[in-house]
Amino acid sequence: DVKVTQSSRYLVKRTGEKVFLECVQDMDHENMFWYRQDPGLGLRLIYFSYDVKMKEKGDIPEGYSVSREKKERFSLILESASTNQTSMYLCATSPGGRDTIYFGEGSWLTVV
Amino acid sequence: AQSVSQHNHHVILSEAASLELGCNYSYGGTVNLFWYVQYPGQHLQLLLKYFSGDPLVKGIKGFEAEFIKSKFSFNLRKPSVQWSDTAEYFCAVISSASKIIFGSGTRLSIRP
Repeated sequence: DVKVTQSSRYLVKRTGEKVFLECVQDMDHENMFWYRQDPGLGLRLIYFSYDVKMKEKGDIPEGYSVSREKKERFSLILESASTNQTSMYLCATSPGGRDTIYFGEGSWLTVV
Repeated sequence: AQSVSQHNHHVILSEAASLELGCNYSYGGTVNLFWYVQYPGQHLQLLLKYFSGDPLVKGIKGFEAEFIKSKFSFNLRKPSVQWSDTAEYFCAVISSASKIIFGSGTRLSIRP
């Protein structure tokens, strides 16, 4: 079974804080993704990476950055958290191409 | 631009009723199609997928979906729903390498 682990399930941060969300996968997948999930808006892609040190912007990259120093780890960074970044953040991986995407359990972030 | 439409935002059914959730996409080329399910408090799980071959695909828990290329549709069906099917369902399409487009989701509520 594919295992995608998000280190924090629930976080509460203050406005302006720097926030790190970590994701680790154990399947040697090439591709990793960060989405945010909001009611009525579905899943929106923030960033994705198809190789170590490679990244591409998704649909809503503003206010976020990412880091992929090792193949198994993909981090999402909120440089200065704002209340409109309160959301559920989902990490996902896939082997590549048009193959299935596998999701982590999600990280609930509340910015106060 | 590529898009995926799920026209039903919230569906309410009684147990044993039949289910059909609509999914339409806009892309004229080769696609891979997916349905994901998110049970309350759980992560997104793959329900079923279509890559090629028989357009009627069967997934877990008695779900099936039919790919109709001429209608750009991939509707999800189940002949008889159970209370445990209460969840949010997401249709997704991959039309180019590595990027998946999700619909906005359909919340399914089952009355016992």
